[in-house]
Amino acid sequence: DQQVKQNSPSLSVQEGRISILNCDYTNSMFDYFLWYKKYPAEGPTFLISISSIKDKNEDGRFTVFLNKSAKHLSLHIVPSQPGDSAVYFCAAGFGDGGSNYKLTFGKGTLLTVNP
Amino acid sequence: EPEVTQTPSHQVTQMGQEVILRCVPISNHLYFYWYRQILGQKVEFLVSFYNNEISEKSEIFDDQFSVERPDGSNFTLKIRSTKLEDSAMYFCASSEGGYSDEQYFGPGTRLTVT
Repeated sequence: DQQVKQNSPSLSVQEGRISILNCDYTNSMFDYFLWYKKYPAEGPTFLISISSIKDKNEDGRFTVFLNKSAKHLSLHIVPSQPGDSAVYFCAAGFGDGGSNYKLTFGKGTLLTVNP
Repeated sequence: EPEVTQTPSHQVTQMGQEVILRCVPISNHLYFYWYRQILGQKVEFLVSFYNNEISEKSEIFDDQFSVERPDGSNFTLKIRSTKLEDSAMYFCASSEGGYSDEQYFGPGTRLTVT
């Protein structure tokens, strides 16, 4: 059951260049999407999110784009820095109108930014 | 900055034993979650908890699992009789609201069942 897919297990970019991490989803009920960064031996750290009513959200060097018709989102990091090297998880969720809100995660993409 | 904490960081137990994983969510948060990540696999939802009851649980969260908020600060996950396949990183998370609020994760507890 892969409702959220990150098809690239790894990505390597040069410092200063753009990193583009991709994510596809299959469940059209998802209405909120998040990106988390994870270092070894740490829990996922929230990076940026986007609601399904938007197609872009920007926060500093991080921008998330959402294409609902294609069920695709991407995270752009510009410029990439060596400290950005981590595993990036795409996550998606939808509310049931009540108190429940669970996240479904992709498998993650290991980003390596080379100095 | 407030953070979610988890103890212990690593727990080794024998098959069939009971384990309790502990979490202290961020103090003003009302929604609590447990996730797990088996080595090399994705982070998987286990259970969500709000207003002192389970909101939703996944198929992984069978009768061997239970959660509790015994006081105003702790949130625990109990596995009654551990199996080898329960070996994983267990992450606690909390959020201020439910719908679309960011979930903040703890550092995780690595559970090793031998």
